[in-house]
Amino acid sequence: FVLSQPPSASVALGQTVTLSCGGRNFGNENVHWYQHRPGQAPVLVIYDDDDRPSGTPIRFSGSKTGNTATLVIGSAEAGDEADYFCQVWDSRLDLPVFGGGTKLTVL
Amino acid sequence: QVHLEEAGPGLVRPSETLSLTCDVSGASVSIYFWGWVRRPTGRGLEWIGRLYNSTTSLNYNPSLKDRVELSMNTIQNQFSLRLSSVTDADAGVYYCVRVWPPYFYALDVWGQGTTVIVSS
Repeated sequence: FVLSQPPSASVALGQTVTLSCGGRNFGNENVHWYQHRPGQAPVLVIYDDDDRPSGTPIRFSGSKTGNTATLVIGSAEAGDEADYFCQVWDSRLDLPVFGGGTKLTVL
Repeated sequence: QVHLEEAGPGLVRPSETLSLTCDVSGASVSIYFWGWVRRPTGRGLEWIGRLYNSTTSLNYNPSLKDRVELSMNTIQNQFSLRLSSVTDADAGVYYCVRVWPPYFYALDVWGQGTTVIVSS
């Protein structure tokens, strides 16, 4: 994968977790985040580094500095348990590239 | 509200061709960017390719481009994927998506996905 993500993370119910995405100098690239629950379609939760589509709870926030993008989930709920993927659009290849995904467990 | 729904056989024999369609409702297939993503069993998301305005803008994942063909049917408001010479590595869940330029080419709408098994 072009983007690197830790394979797993865990968070206690009600606590905050930070998921990271790196592996390249993002520069002007826009980082997007997807939540993929088992058996469901992936859902876009953050686009353009830190914007939330309508429907994404305010508990989800994104940021980016230099070589690292982060997704922060506050007040974690059981329903947040999922795989989370980061993605950028590679302008040279003209296609999206994904991270390998982080499996989030809510304890 | 845009809705996507994949359809196609769930079982494909090795070396044969996988064919899937994506029915689009709530938007015209001829005026947006559309694509296919898959999640191979036990792995992460993988881009397959995208098309826009039928054949004027096609782009494929370089690792799959020799086996992939995308097409569009504006009358039935759907687009399609054909993947030839399938192997076990092609098994997984296939999703059709909308690529949304206002969101800096994020994939803002996803179909529910269709599971593909490769077996003789």
